[in-house]
Amino acid sequence: GAGVSQSPRYKVAKRGQDVALRCDPISGHVSLFWYQQALGQGPEFLTYFQNEAQLDKSGLPSDRFFAERPEGSVSTLKIQRTQQEDSAVYLCASSLSGSVQPQHFGDGTRLSIL
Amino acid sequence: TQLLEQSPQFLSIQEGENLTVYCNSSSVFSSLQWYRQEPGEGPVLLVTVVTGGEVKKLKRLTFQFGDARKDSSLHITAAQPGDTGLYLCAGARSSGDKLTFGTGTRLAVRP
Repeated sequence: GAGVSQSPRYKVAKRGQDVALRCDPISGHVSLFWYQQALGQGPEFLTYFQNEAQLDKSGLPSDRFFAERPEGSVSTLKIQRTQQEDSAVYLCASSLSGSVQPQHFGDGTRLSIL
Repeated sequence: TQLLEQSPQFLSIQEGENLTVYCNSSSVFSSLQWYRQEPGEGPVLLVTVVTGGEVKKLKRLTFQFGDARKDSSLHITAAQPGDTGLYLCAGARSSGDKLTFGTGTRLAVRP
């Protein structure tokens, strides 16, 4: 497909488990963003990659959150020792370059921590 | 902490009515974008405004960026049920800055 693809669409985990969320950006898009969206709220920035370089990780809530994009394409957001407050929709977006360029969003991964 | 406050938070109107959604901040933004999000999907970009005072029209939607680049509005004329969704404004304070999203306005248009 031509759009941003995220997997899995839904993830249920027990508190304390580790989870990994995947994002496949649009081919050729240099920038990749991760957001966290609580129910009924706007997305909150987590982190930003330019190619494989993580340029901004100021939005990551704690050191349990880790993101990588080793080859400048696919990205993985990992959450260790999950807690109930981590339950949210995690959105990935890509753009040609930078945040001012239109961002194309995936449909998100809905994470539920029991 | 979200720097962009949207109002109203919820809006339920009858088909054919007009409405305006506001996006306000105390910060200056170099550009501002409006998105629409439907349940189970990611936000979809509607428009980007970059110049203070700029007005853009997209069919029945009119977007305005405030002169001081701290606020924006979205006006919908003759709303249709297909306009139902979560409307989000998002701003960047510089070309290299991250995008900050607003608190969102959930619109329901009744047939």
